[in-house]
Amino acid sequence: AQSVTQLDSQVPVFEEAPVELRCNYSSSVSVYLFWYVQYPNQGLQLLLKYLSGSTLVESINGFEAEFNKSQTSFHLRKPSVHISDTAEYFCAVPGYSSASKIIFGSGTRLSIRP
Amino acid sequence: DAMVIQNPRYQVTQFGKPVTLSCSQTLNHNVMYWYQQKSSQAPKLLFHYYDKDFNNEADTPDNFQSRRPNTSFCFLDIRSPGLGDAAMYLCATSRDKAGEGETQYFGPGTRLLVL
Repeated sequence: AQSVTQLDSQVPVFEEAPVELRCNYSSSVSVYLFWYVQYPNQGLQLLLKYLSGSTLVESINGFEAEFNKSQTSFHLRKPSVHISDTAEYFCAVPGYSSASKIIFGSGTRLSIRP
Repeated sequence: DAMVIQNPRYQVTQFGKPVTLSCSQTLNHNVMYWYQQKSSQAPKLLFHYYDKDFNNEADTPDNFQSRRPNTSFCFLDIRSPGLGDAAMYLCATSRDKAGEGETQYFGPGTRLLVL
């Protein structure tokens, strides 16, 4: 069975500081990994995903995540956060019972202090 | 430019009074999903359609039903809402199977309040 763990429920950081949101997964099959972001009072939207190839994937707004097979991790990082990055971030992996679905982690709330 | 549209954005209903939430998409995607999200929690999949094939999650209560009359529309029916059904309901679509790497596109959600 596949599962995903987000170790931090909340991460407070100061504006312009670096941030890392942690995600670990367990999987015995091919791995696809996703980070979705949910801004206040909105639906989720894809931030970035790993399918194959380069283990480092980047988003258009400065976030990046690295697929680490040996540590079964897919941590999300940004070198300098902005107030507008305030949101809930969900890591996700494919569902084990159906290829049509993905399983979300419990989420990490990123709060930015000015 | 709206791709996944949910109506209404806010819905108030009475305990036990049936309610229907709607979702439409302009993406012509094969797969449509309904999620329930309670405060500070991850979205919980209720069911999904792959084209016309309906897939119910094992732990989705019988109180929740869904219809997909065509590619563009999908409805969530709650037959007898209870106080515990108050939540944000998210509709999402994907071109093909999300578990095979496809991106899911979410609507803005409908927040349901049960009085």
